[in-house]
Amino acid sequence: AQTVTQSQPEMSVQEAETVTLSCTYDTSESNYYLFWYKQPPSRQMILVIRQEAYKQQNATENRFSVNFQKAAKSFSLKISDSQLGDTAMYFCAFMKQGAQKLVFGQGTRLTINP
Amino acid sequence: NAGVTQTPKFRVLKTGQSMTLLCAQDMNHEYMYWYRQDPGMGLRLIHYSVGEGTTAKGEVPDGYNVSRLKKQNFLLGLESAAPSQTSVYFCASQTGGRVETQYFGPGTRLLVL
Repeated sequence: AQTVTQSQPEMSVQEAETVTLSCTYDTSESNYYLFWYKQPPSRQMILVIRQEAYKQQNATENRFSVNFQKAAKSFSLKISDSQLGDTAMYFCAFMKQGAQKLVFGQGTRLTINP
Repeated sequence: NAGVTQTPKFRVLKTGQSMTLLCAQDMNHEYMYWYRQDPGMGLRLIHYSVGEGTTAKGEVPDGYNVSRLKKQNFLLGLESAAPSQTSVYFCASQTGGRVETQYFGPGTRLLVL
């Protein structure tokens, strides 16, 4: 069974700083997908970024980028120029190709301070 | 286009009562999911459906039943609620056939006394 681990329960940075959230996963699969979801206080789950394991290039979405290390089974999220609106819980998630089911990590609570 | 909606938003139940949570999506998605979220934990899959008329068990199915009579609706039932089922419940939907984004509803907060 796949597992996803987020080792940082909470993080806090100043506005405009860069912050990196860690995620590791355990799987014997070679084809899979990794996701970062954001959950603001409204509780809505919002997709931040997605990475296909077969792609060597790291995914980027505006201020959000990932560092995908397949051999190390690591998938960290970098938020550049952090904004107050980035304050949220962030969840790392794994999906085996063909399984159509997400496995979530425990989450990291990120606070951006003014 | 409302996306994924959930009814109700909040509910209080007494132990032993029953209730049904409704999830509706207007994106013509094949796959639908029910998750629960507990403090300090990520989302855990309860049940899911890969198409109208089909359902399957997820990670934590005990105490819940589901039905997918219409493609756009996915119902989660609690026949006899227990305090351990106090949680926030999320529904999600996804296009079938290839990996796509799972779109989530706003959640239903359930308190079982």
